[in-house]
Amino acid sequence: KAGVTQTPRYLIKTRGQQVTLSCSPISGHRSVSWYQQTPGQGLQFLFEYFSETQRNKGNFPGRFSGRQFSNSRSEMNVSTLELGDSALYLCASSKGQRLNTEAFFGQGTRLTVV
Amino acid sequence: ELKVEQNPLFLSMQEGKNYTIYCNYSTTSDRLYWYRQDPGKSLESLFVLLSNGAVKQEGRLMASLDTKARLSTLHITAAVHDLSATYFCAVKSWGDTGTASKLTFGTGTRLQVTL
Repeated sequence: KAGVTQTPRYLIKTRGQQVTLSCSPISGHRSVSWYQQTPGQGLQFLFEYFSETQRNKGNFPGRFSGRQFSNSRSEMNVSTLELGDSALYLCASSKGQRLNTEAFFGQGTRLTVV
Repeated sequence: ELKVEQNPLFLSMQEGKNYTIYCNYSTTSDRLYWYRQDPGKSLESLFVLLSNGAVKQEGRLMASLDTKARLSTLHITAAVHDLSATYFCAVKSWGDTGTASKLTFGTGTRLQVTL
């Protein structure tokens, strides 16, 4: 059974550019969540999508956005990149949104902004 | 706002000895998850604790949940080098809309096992 796939694995971008990250969830999983991991702030929730709708959003500026497609694949976009956006971005998929549904994480995309 | 605290932040363990990581959280919840992360890698699910008094064991690791005390512990028995990694606890709660859940992570505990 294939796991959660994130592409690309590594990215280097310049300040002011925009970037799109992709996440393919486990087959049959309809919920996709995104998390940002930095040494200073730890793991922080970005947003969650279910059935192509954003159901939950963390405390991040509007530069961070996302979407989900009908096949449950999700993309997140960060516009006008800042140095502080350098982080490991993790995507998690789960079957649903209930509290007891386990989340499985992808390998992550490491974004470096220079 | 839900807060999740772990301690210690760093734990240097001697092989063969026993240790415990503590995870405190600030709101009532009975959905707690433990993850392991190796350097530069993703999060690997270790335990899912879904009720008060839940206890799960896998090899040298045992996790428990006390929802009344808002405390979960991860106990390591007879530490071995393979257990060196960062361990996170996470509490699952409903988001602001009440229709979707999210994970709030602790700060992580970096374990280093030495001979």
